[in-house]
Amino acid sequence: NAGVMQNPRHLVRRRGQEARLRCSPMKGHSHVYWYRQLPEEGLKFMVYLQKENIIDESGMPKERFSAEFPKEGPSILRIQQVVRGDSAAYFCASSPRGRVEEKLFFGSGTQLSVL
Amino acid sequence: AQSVTQPDIHITVSEGASLELRCNYSYGATPYLFWYVQSPGQGLQLLLKYFSGDTLVQGIKGFEAEFKRSQSSFNLRKPSVHWSDAAEYFCAVGATSNDYKLSFGAGTTVTVRA
Repeated sequence: NAGVMQNPRHLVRRRGQEARLRCSPMKGHSHVYWYRQLPEEGLKFMVYLQKENIIDESGMPKERFSAEFPKEGPSILRIQQVVRGDSAAYFCASSPRGRVEEKLFFGSGTQLSVL
Repeated sequence: AQSVTQPDIHITVSEGASLELRCNYSYGATPYLFWYVQSPGQGLQLLLKYFSGDTLVQGIKGFEAEFKRSQSSFNLRKPSVHWSDAAEYFCAVGATSNDYKLSFGAGTTVTVRA
């Protein structure tokens, strides 16, 4: 029973390029959350998705960032025209029913470095 | 909105010694409280959580935490640390049972010396 899988583990992009981060939730989980961890800071909520729906994207920058969770395949966090300030660790988590009292299962994260 | 403060950025403790990590939250009602641990290169793992009932909760790996409403605190403790406990620890809070977002503290890095 694989856990939450994120890839790639490390992603290097030059300013202006696009970054695509993938997250496959645990089997049976239809709720996915993306968090961003900046250096010396805790995790910050970005977006919450269910299959084919964005439930809450209040933590996501209005420009350049988008997320999707299609019916088939992994959830994708897409960052267009990356800037140095986007350098961070991006974590994906999943849960069975989307309730806070549930245990969130986290992936190992994608470390994005923007040159 | 709720917020979480972890006053200690870095703690060094000797192997076998006790450990206490502080966490204070700001929220009007009783929140849903969590402690997560992040080992280098790994994702976060849930240590324990508190929603209601007994204010002393037991978690995995020998950790426990105590909820103190009067102090708005949820401190994490371990009586005797092992070298494998070296990691970063995050306190997190959720506002209600319908709140699917967690607010995380900035984390405390624990170093264990032999």
